[in-house]
Amino acid sequence: GAVVSQHPSRVICKSGTSVKIECRSLDFQATTMFWYRQFPKKSLMLMATSNEGSKATYEQGVEKDKFLINHASLTLSTLTVTSAHPEDSSFYICSAFDTNNEKLFFGSGTQLSVL
Amino acid sequence: GENVEQHPSTLSVQEGDSAVIKCTYSDSASNYFPWYKQELGKGPQLIIDIRSNVGEKKDQRIAVTLNKTAKHFSLHITETQPEDSAVYFCAASIPNAGNMLTFGGGTRLMVKP
Repeated sequence: GAVVSQHPSRVICKSGTSVKIECRSLDFQATTMFWYRQFPKKSLMLMATSNEGSKATYEQGVEKDKFLINHASLTLSTLTVTSAHPEDSSFYICSAFDTNNEKLFFGSGTQLSVL
Repeated sequence: GENVEQHPSTLSVQEGDSAVIKCTYSDSASNYFPWYKQELGKGPQLIIDIRSNVGEKKDQRIAVTLNKTAKHFSLHITETQPEDSAVYFCAASIPNAGNMLTFGGGTRLMVKP
């Protein structure tokens, strides 16, 4: 299947700092990428839909000023957690839609721990 | 919007036995049904998918069946192995919904050696 690269895989930061997570589609172009948050032993919670060249669409309850999403190219979307606090600690996962195969592929996830 | 229910939430089987996970969906317009396997600390991996124009699809030990009338689809794993232990998610997609998937709650499969 297609490869989606997500970095970093793990990050530990101090409260108040910002963290950027990158999501890249390595062998296909993705006009649409999605960002999820996952709590332990829970399902995937969609945070926002990232569309190349336009503003992201955020799900209800997700603060767009807190979770900044940029999709500047057809292969890269970034999620920046601004002024992170301990309650932002979670597993964040991106996915990218391969329009050629009409399938959705996921990155490997980023475990964020805010101290 | 679409709602996907997945059962059971946990499933324990003996190595070599079969495992079946079932999902139901609410929107009859849904036409794409993928299954993902997620191992601890990793992102979900697409293992098999089915579109609404077929009723069954098989890939080695894994098969998926779809009943459009009843609006449910199932994942079948035969000859289970310990490495099949993971969380499995079903999902459904509605056409013209921005390629968005609605996920089930997940099934934690444990294969005992």
